[in-house]
Amino acid sequence: EAQLVESGGGLVQPGGSLRLSCTASGFIFSEYEMNWVRQAPGKGLEWVSSISSHGKTIYYIDSVKGRFTISRDNAKKSLYLQMSSLRAEDTALYYCARGLIRPPVEYMDVWGKGTTVTVSS
Amino acid sequence: EIVLTQSPATLSLSPGERATLSCTASQSISSYVAWYQQKIGQAPRLLIFDASNRATGIPHRFSGSGSGTDFTLTISSLEPEDFAVYYCQQRGDWPLTFGGGTKVEI
Repeated sequence: EAQLVESGGGLVQPGGSLRLSCTASGFIFSEYEMNWVRQAPGKGLEWVSSISSHGKTIYYIDSVKGRFTISRDNAKKSLYLQMSSLRAEDTALYYCARGLIRPPVEYMDVWGKGTTVTVSS
Repeated sequence: EIVLTQSPATLSLSPGERATLSCTASQSISSYVAWYQQKIGQAPRLLIFDASNRATGIPHRFSGSGSGTDFTLTISSLEPEDFAVYYCQQRGDWPLTFGGGTKVEI
């Protein structure tokens, strides 16, 4: 069974940094595009970033460009999100989500349970 | 950025009734819409992709339709486990965007 487990969330002050990780199991990680999607408390879903299976194609939502960096290590079956210059509006539950195996890969069929990031002084 | 507007915000129905949820895009996106279900305290679950294709393991009571700017998710006969929030998502252009959600409640 395909599974994703996020970690690395926590409480951080505005302007601080945090690194989220997502560990995959039950599928061939290197074959899939991967995504980060967040959900602020009581709000809807917001796509944050995507990375292609080989790591060469990356997209970000404008609000995190220059502050967040997505990366992956296929040998470790892991996805990362390096977050810096954090703002209160980055407070959310961050989900790691897998893209479909074949086009259209921009839809997400396996999700982790999420890790909570709280930005507050 | 393509904005997705979902309506209604809340749909109050009873088990066995038919649910019709709408998602309208700010510009034409062909058939590039997916639908997700999210229950309280759970991650989203992919139901439908590219407007009308059911994802693996999704019951036949869930169906999707539409193209261009107007899309619909239909639940033919609501089961108790279908009461949840439903989101549409587009892949017509980056950034990927989600609608604001429709809550289906009893």
